[in-house]
Amino acid sequence: ETGVTQTPRHLVMGMTNKKSLKCEQHLGHNAMYWYKQSAKKPLELMFVYNFKEQTENNSVPSRFSPECPNSSHLFLHLHTLQPEDSALYLCASSQDPGGPDTQYFGPGTRLTVL
Amino acid sequence: GQNIDQPTEMTATEGAIVQINCTYQTSGFNGLFWYQQHAGEAPTFLSYNVLDGLEEKGRFSSFLSRSKGYSYLLLKELQMKDSASYLCAVRDSNYQLIWGAGTKLIIKP
Repeated sequence: ETGVTQTPRHLVMGMTNKKSLKCEQHLGHNAMYWYKQSAKKPLELMFVYNFKEQTENNSVPSRFSPECPNSSHLFLHLHTLQPEDSALYLCASSQDPGGPDTQYFGPGTRLTVL
Repeated sequence: GQNIDQPTEMTATEGAIVQINCTYQTSGFNGLFWYQQHAGEAPTFLSYNVLDGLEEKGRFSSFLSRSKGYSYLLLKELQMKDSASYLCAVRDSNYQLIWGAGTKLIIKP
């Protein structure tokens, strides 16, 4: 067990739907991350939160909207997605993004956009 | 630009040894990570190298040469459960992780 949980594990949605992905970490870490993983491509960092403050947004389209109410919870709100957004969305946490620490990943949400 | 290269797929036999290579070109270097990811599961941390040389951890070892921009992950006494993707990632000067696309390792009996 990595101490990072994600729900739902699988999600199928139409392009006009609104849904949210949830991530929770039980490790007492200060930083949380959203990644997109597409087949045969490197992990793409989407957002970074450090002590609940967003410190990085890697040119992610506005149809993805993150929310971090506290250092243990992270959400990714989805609306008007495109079929090319279908991918595995991974959440991770670490003690301190500015230091040489290790990121711990959740199992991911497999998203399919129809 | 920043780039991590690793083979897309490798095949090995149960009980054998396999070496997965990773080369990188990044703006600065603050450590190299190896992660294992079984299909449909979370990536899990395997090893971390920041100085040149070999780090051994049971059946797995990881090597780093900073001057060559090169690392490898060595897996010994392969087991069927080692079938997975192995991800190489480098932390750059901004402490951002740059990821490779992963190497899918197939173990045959």
